[in-house]
Amino acid sequence: AQKVTQAQTEISVVEKEDVTLDCVYETRDTTYYLFWYKQPPSGELVFLIRRNSFDEQNEISGRYSWNFQKSTSSFNFTITASQVVDSAVYFCALKRAGTALIFGKGTTLSVSS
Amino acid sequence: DVKVTQSSRYLVKRTGEKVFLECVQDMDHENMFWYRQDPGLGLRLIYFSYDVKMKEKGDIPEGYSVSREKKERFSLILESASTNQTSMYLCASSFGMELGDQPQHFGDGTRLSIL
Repeated sequence: AQKVTQAQTEISVVEKEDVTLDCVYETRDTTYYLFWYKQPPSGELVFLIRRNSFDEQNEISGRYSWNFQKSTSSFNFTITASQVVDSAVYFCALKRAGTALIFGKGTTLSVSS
Repeated sequence: DVKVTQSSRYLVKRTGEKVFLECVQDMDHENMFWYRQDPGLGLRLIYFSYDVKMKEKGDIPEGYSVSREKKERFSLILESASTNQTSMYLCASSFGMELGDQPQHFGDGTRLSIL
């Protein structure tokens, strides 16, 4: 069975703090894809990143970075120097080739000024 | 930019009504999806479609049906609306497998209330 677990339901930080959102997945497939999406208060899910199972390189995009570790089945997301605009619900998702996404339950991040 | 448009942002219907939620995408995507989002449950897949007139059940298809008569349009139908179908409904689309596993792009969502 495939499953995505985001153990942190809610996180609150103060601006400029670093914050890491955890994502643990379960799958028996050797080929799969991992995604992160952001859902701001407006409601639309915004695609942030995709990783395939053969690419364990970490990625950095501005203040965002992602750490993919197959050994621990984790795909964690770190925001450096958080800002109020980062406040949103963040979803981690897993996908086998040719199928639909399986989402975690999401982590609500609140950044206060 | 990819545009996925859902016909209504907010919708209020009565129990027993037949409800249509419409979704249109403008990027010639093969794949289209319907999810519902509920607090504490995340997003759950209702139905998806890989091509015109094709549909596959997702995790929670009961009480719903879909229609895809044209490539750009994917409709979700609540045959006889019930209060437990009050939820946020999200439509998504993506390219098919021949272009690799592409990310899904989402619409703004329809917040449906069944009274």
